[in-house]
Amino acid sequence: DTGVSQDPRHKITKRGQNVTFRCDPISEHNRLYWYRQTLGQGPEFLTYFQNEAQLEKSRLLSDRFSAERPKGSFSTLEIQRTEQGDSAMYLCASSPPRGIDTQYFGPGTRLTVL
Amino acid sequence: DQQVKQNSPSLSVQEGRISILNCDYTNSMFDYFLWYKKYPAEGPTFLISISSIKDKNEDGRFTVFLNKSAKHLSLHIVPSQPGDSAVYFCAASGTASKLTFGTGTRLQVTL
Repeated sequence: DTGVSQDPRHKITKRGQNVTFRCDPISEHNRLYWYRQTLGQGPEFLTYFQNEAQLEKSRLLSDRFSAERPKGSFSTLEIQRTEQGDSAMYLCASSPPRGIDTQYFGPGTRLTVL
Repeated sequence: DQQVKQNSPSLSVQEGRISILNCDYTNSMFDYFLWYKKYPAEGPTFLISISSIKDKNEDGRFTVFLNKSAKHLSLHIVPSQPGDSAVYFCAASGTASKLTFGTGTRLQVTL
């Protein structure tokens, strides 16, 4: 399977704990995106990488959230001091070098904060 | 500020008939539009897209129409099949590259 993969698929944590999610994009894709989706809503943009550079961050990405893509391949999204409002599906997507804007999504990580 | 709107939360269509899903947008800087299909507990699956320089794009049973003056696009599925039952999201992008999504339309195709 050469699609976007995410790990873990599900995460249950207690309020105040830190969590980290991983995303592996399609291999030839240099652009990587993180989105968050809550019930009844469409995915909302969080942040975007081109290679290893983080080019854009949404105001939704509070200082408790940090994303990295150290070698321009996989990416991690960390949430520190989780809150119940962080419960959501976290989606990763990737797209090829500029010129083709279609983004391909992974299966998502479902986070539940108790 | 909802820049992409899908005003119909749900749609029910008989198998074999046409499904028409609608989407409106407000940001005139959007120049690329996409439709995604989503099953529960899965990520969105890309269906079809259209650039703002076109007004129609067709791929098998799926056709997307874009009316730039009305800031409106629609997805036509003909013929509809039970496996098409899912939530459909309209998305748009501009120079910023990120996608802005609508809230989705749940399509149910009945036998």
